[in-house]
This record gives sequence, structure tokens and C-alpha cells, in this order.
Amino acid sequence: GENVEQHPSTLSVQEGDSAVIKCTYSDSASNYFPWYKQELGKRPQLIIDIRSNVGEKKDQRIAVTLNKTAKHFSLHITETQPEDSAVYFCAANSWGKLQFGAGTQVVVTP
Amino acid sequence: DTAVSQTPKYLVTQMGNDKSIKCEQNLGHDTMYWYKQDSKKFLKIMFSYNNKELIINETVPNRFSPKSPDKAHLNLHINSLELGDSAVYFCASSQGWGAAYEQYFGPGTRLTVT
Repeated sequence: GENVEQHPSTLSVQEGDSAVIKCTYSDSASNYFPWYKQELGKRPQLIIDIRSNVGEKKDQRIAVTLNKTAKHFSLHITETQPEDSAVYFCAANSWGKLQFGAGTQVVVTP
Repeated sequence: DTAVSQTPKYLVTQMGNDKSIKCEQNLGHDTMYWYKQDSKKFLKIMFSYNNKELIINETVPNRFSPKSPDKAHLNLHINSLELGDSAVYFCASSQGWGAAYEQYFGPGTRLTVT
């Protein structure tokens, strides 16, 4: 089955700096890679996703890159703000199942 | 106009009891899921139903039994609750199954077994 690894587990950044979270996956059949943000006590919410036929996607301050050959994908957040503080999860869709990474706790300090 | 709703939000019960969690979505989606999020925040899929048919059944103790009376509802019944069942249970739905469909999560049910 699919195995998704996510690094780092915690990330502390100064407001205005960039944050990068990296994930690797094992199943070459995986074709969809969403990123979810989960604030404390809340539900996971999709912030951006990328499909296997695309190498990069951007939405305002958030971008995701995918390297299918190396089986890794990354989330980039630029100009971080305090409201970006949350747990971020990467995931890979393999055979209709979403396998999640272990999460990255991002703390943005003013 | 809540998209995916769950009841109850909190559930505190004793070991050995039986409890149910209910989920409803008003998005017209065909596929629904149950996830378990443990104390370390790890999210793991448990079950998935597509058009009321069970399509994903992960390695979950058979004390857990999902039921989908119709496409808009997915319930989770847990028998003989154990301490290790304490977690947050999320319901989710997506337009379809097997492809790149966004999953929408419910607000979660925090289950505490004492």
C-alpha cells in the first residue's frame, strides 16, 4: 500500500519568511496529492492540490510542486502570517484511498 | 448550510459501552469516509462507502461497524469500547471515488473512553 512520509514534524518561522514542507510517497500509481490545513480543534481543510499530470501549481501565497520521478512533492508558503499557524498534512491518493503524512506543526511568530 | 455534519461533537463514555456517531452531507456526493485521528494527530482512513456500497475497509477491529442507509448518511457504530478507541473521528465526503476528488471533512467527534 501507499506510504507517505512528511518532514519536518515542526517548523517555526518568522512572520514574512517562507515555509517549506516536503513529502515523499511510495506508490507510483498515486495520482492526486492534496494538502490540508488543520487549525486547533477544527476540521482538516483543503488548501491546494495537484494532479500527477502537473508539475507545479500556485494559489496566491501557496504553491505546490510535484516530482513524479523522485516521488516527492512540496508545499511552499511565502510571506507567512500568524494565521498560517496550524498543522499541515500532505496526502497521496492511491486506488481511491487518501494516505496522509504525519503532519507538520507550523508556528509563525510575529 | 453545513456541508458535512456530525453528531455528537463530543462523546464521553465508559469502557465496554456501545456508541454510535452519525454523519450527514448535503453536497450530493456519492462517496463518504470515516477517518480516525489519534492523539498524535495522525489521520487514518477506516472505511469508505460509494453509493451505499462498502469499498474500503481498512484493518479495523470488527467492533467498528459502519452503515450507510443512503448516499447522504454514513454512521459508525462501535461495540465494547476500549481505552484505545479514544480519538477524534472525522467523516468526509467526495463527489466520487477512485480519482482526484477533493474530500470535505466534517467537524469531527471527539470520543473519550474512560
